Amino acid sequence: GENVEQHPSTLSVQEGDSAVIKCTYSDSASNYFPWYKQELGKRPQLIIDIRSNVGEKKDQRIAVTLNKTAKHFSLHITETQPEDSAVYFCAASPAGANNLFFGTGTRLTVIP
Amino acid sequence: DAGVTQSPTHLIKTRGQQVTLRCSPKSGHDTVSWYQQALGQGPQFIFQYYEEEERQRGNFPDRFSGHQFPNYSSELNVNALLLGDSALYLCASSPPLRRSQETQYFGPGTRLLVL
Repeated sequence: GENVEQHPSTLSVQEGDSAVIKCTYSDSASNYFPWYKQELGKRPQLIIDIRSNVGEKKDQRIAVTLNKTAKHFSLHITETQPEDSAVYFCAASPAGANNLFFGTGTRLTVIP
Repeated sequence: DAGVTQSPTHLIKTRGQQVTLRCSPKSGHDTVSWYQQALGQGPQFIFQYYEEEERQRGNFPDRFSGHQFPNYSSELNVNALLLGDSALYLCASSPPLRRSQETQYFGPGTRLLVL
């Protein structure tokens, strides 16, 4: 089955700096890659997703890039703010499966 | 419009007991997936229900079973509870399939503690 690896496990940045989280996947049939943000004690919330027919997608301060050849995708957060502090999970979904395989998460801390 | 809801929010059980968790999907959604999230880990897929049938299943033993009702709500049942079943159980719903995958929206979860 699909295996998703995520790095780093923890990330601290100064407010206003950028943060980058990287994920790799193993199943070349995966074609949907969402990112979720989970604050302490809260539900995972979708922040952005990308499909395999697109190499990059941006939504305000958040962007995701996908390299299908290398089987990796990354989350980029620019101009970080303290409220961006949370655990971020990447996920991959194989074509026709409609279920998600998650990475182990990255705890992002934005220092004011 | 209510999002995905789950009940109960917290539950304490002892080893060997059985538990039932409930999920109501977001309005307009017909597919429900269940995930187990151990402390400090990413969610792991248990199974998915569509049209009242289990459509896909992850690598979980038969002690984990489920059901989907005609109104699309769902239950997760776990029999013969083990200490290792202690986790946050998340339900996610998604709209009718128009593409290979649809966005999954998560509920707040049920935190199960097995003593």
